Amino acid sequence: DSGVTQTPKHLITATGQRVTLRCSPRSGDLSVYWYQQSLDQGLQFLIQYYNGEERAKGNILERFSAQQFPDLHSELNLSSLELGDSALYFCASSEFPYQQGDQPQHFGDGTRLSIL
Amino acid sequence: AQTVTQSQPEMSVQEAETVTLSCTYDTSESDYYLFWYKQPPSRQMILVIRQEAYKQQNATENRFSVNFQKAAKSFSLKISDSQLGDAAMYFCAYRSYSGGGADGLTFGKGTHLIIQP
Repeated sequence: DSGVTQTPKHLITATGQRVTLRCSPRSGDLSVYWYQQSLDQGLQFLIQYYNGEERAKGNILERFSAQQFPDLHSELNLSSLELGDSALYFCASSEFPYQQGDQPQHFGDGTRLSIL
Repeated sequence: AQTVTQSQPEMSVQEAETVTLSCTYDTSESDYYLFWYKQPPSRQMILVIRQEAYKQQNATENRFSVNFQKAAKSFSLKISDSQLGDAAMYFCAYRSYSGGGADGLTFGKGTHLIIQP
């Protein structure tokens, strides 16, 4: 158990819809990362938040957005869903600050999103 | 942008034998971190081992060790005494140092490791 909690585990919806994926980081971790794993693109970094603020963006589509709340949980919002958005979405967390040495990212079990 | 290449889509090894998974990467940075993650059929992402680029000594974690060749930009994973539980997808990953930690991981496409009993 990594200590990172993602809900829901599975999500089935239709094209054009909007969904929200939720992540609770490990206790004490201030940084949250979102990744997408698909057959076509492999594992891709989407976005990172640290203590409520956006820190880095990867290959995140404009239809996707995220936020991190004061209690440090994060949500990834996916809108105008397309068939190609079907994927496993991972949340990971790590401790910050970086200056204390790199802390590895610990991954949740993922949310499997299926677009019909 | 950094890229990570895993040239072996699939590898097979007999139980108790040793196997080496290859990974090369491309970067213009001098400081960075490298990781191997394991993804079993349960789809969890499990950290296996990590290496800081500024350390010349190769990292070791029990049966897992790496061969880090910085000049060649190579980062292979050696699994000794392979066990059935080692069967999984293995991903090599890169993380920039210069971003102050504000960077996600860049992953390779993965190597599917099969353990033959």
